[in-house]
Amino acid sequence: RKEVEQDPGPFNVPEGATVAFNCTYSNSASQSFFWYRQDCRKEPKLLMSVYSSGNEDGRFTAQLNRASQYISLLIRDSKLSDSATYLCVVNNNAGNMLTFGGGTRLMVKP
Amino acid sequence: GAGVSQSPRYKVAKRGQDVALRCDPISGHVSLFWYQQALGQGPEFLTYFQNEAQLDKSGLPSDRFFAERPEGSVSTLKIQRTQQEDSAVYLCASSSSPGGIYEQYFGPGTRLTVT
Repeated sequence: RKEVEQDPGPFNVPEGATVAFNCTYSNSASQSFFWYRQDCRKEPKLLMSVYSSGNEDGRFTAQLNRASQYISLLIRDSKLSDSATYLCVVNNNAGNMLTFGGGTRLMVKP
Repeated sequence: GAGVSQSPRYKVAKRGQDVALRCDPISGHVSLFWYQQALGQGPEFLTYFQNEAQLDKSGLPSDRFFAERPEGSVSTLKIQRTQQEDSAVYLCASSSSPGGIYEQYFGPGTRLTVT
């Protein structure tokens, strides 16, 4: 079983739709959580950190459920420019690495 | 300001050749990471440096892979006797925080194709 699991998609949604991605992680000692965005043939870039209380950045909302070891990302009012792969990322502060999920591909259509 | 740079951006190697991939991290960043990303997959951790010390190399897939950061800045990932399964994008990332527990900044990657 992979340490961080995501539905690979693709999620095909129309502009303006709301879409949600989920991610589960297996290491209960994980401390830091992130969503990264990766455009085709580009490097990953931090989209947002995920805090225990949940956090929002414009159209993006991230939630963390430690009991269920589950992270989510909600995108409201999808734009064409949101089309990308969204990577769920976990860091065990006792370790020295980010562990990435396989990514969820989003395609927003006109 | 300047981000993380990597060179070469593309490398084609014949099976059995040795390759060296370079990473220039953001100036002053203490942490440097190497990741391997296969097509359609997320990046997978290879190794971590804090300054010049290689603190974790648990992700290196075999003893053909070797990384160094002798002066705590530029890093080189070397792959000896390349095999077809080494074909992937090799990403370097740097962070101002020890252990990279906060944001890591990625370079554009080196796309290695072994023929």
